[in-house]
Amino acid sequence: GQSLEQPSEVTAVEGAIVQINCTYQTSGFYGLSWYQQHDGGAPTFLSYNALDGLEETGRFSSFLSRSDSYGYLLLQELQMKDSASYFCAVRDSSYKLIFGSGTRLLVRP
Amino acid sequence: DAGVTQSPTHLIKTRGQHVTLRCSPISGHKSVSWYQQVLGQGPQFIFQYYEKEERGRGNFPDRFSARQFPNYSSELNVNALLLGDSALYLCASSLANQGVLQYFGAGTRLSVL
Repeated sequence: GQSLEQPSEVTAVEGAIVQINCTYQTSGFYGLSWYQQHDGGAPTFLSYNALDGLEETGRFSSFLSRSDSYGYLLLQELQMKDSASYFCAVRDSSYKLIFGSGTRLLVRP
Repeated sequence: DAGVTQSPTHLIKTRGQHVTLRCSPISGHKSVSWYQQVLGQGPQFIFQYYEKEERGRGNFPDRFSARQFPNYSSELNVNALLLGDSALYLCASSLANQGVLQYFGAGTRLSVL
């Protein structure tokens, strides 16, 4: 079967760094994406890794290790507005985008 | 430029009824995908259309169908509604058939009573 595993909830303090992990098992792999979704809002694209290594976009970085079927999203200098749900998503061999169940991040002052 | 627009924003139906949800992609985007998101879960893929052809189908019953029009807008139809169909239905558009970057609309929240 196809599955993506990520922690259900993470809590961190404003200004800190937090890492959200994602492990995946899919039929085929064409890249790992991360999306952010605020309560009541639409998912918005954050980053994408097709190859192993680190991709950096401002305060957000994403890492991929294809041999370990593992990736993570790193959020630095946390702000209150970063409180949201974060989803990892894998594009499989039929090019469907498969989402994880999401990690709810709570940033505390 | 307008983002992905979906209508209606909210909908209440009763079991057994039929519903049609609409989506307009970002101008220039030719691919539209539909997702179902149940509270507390990630979006689940339903369909993808590109250039008016179905390019992918998720694990949903035949009660779910969709189509894409010449202007690349799309409709999702659900027949014989069940209580379990209550969810947020999201539409996403992308430039290409296997577009990595998908832009999501705000969704249609469907409640089936």
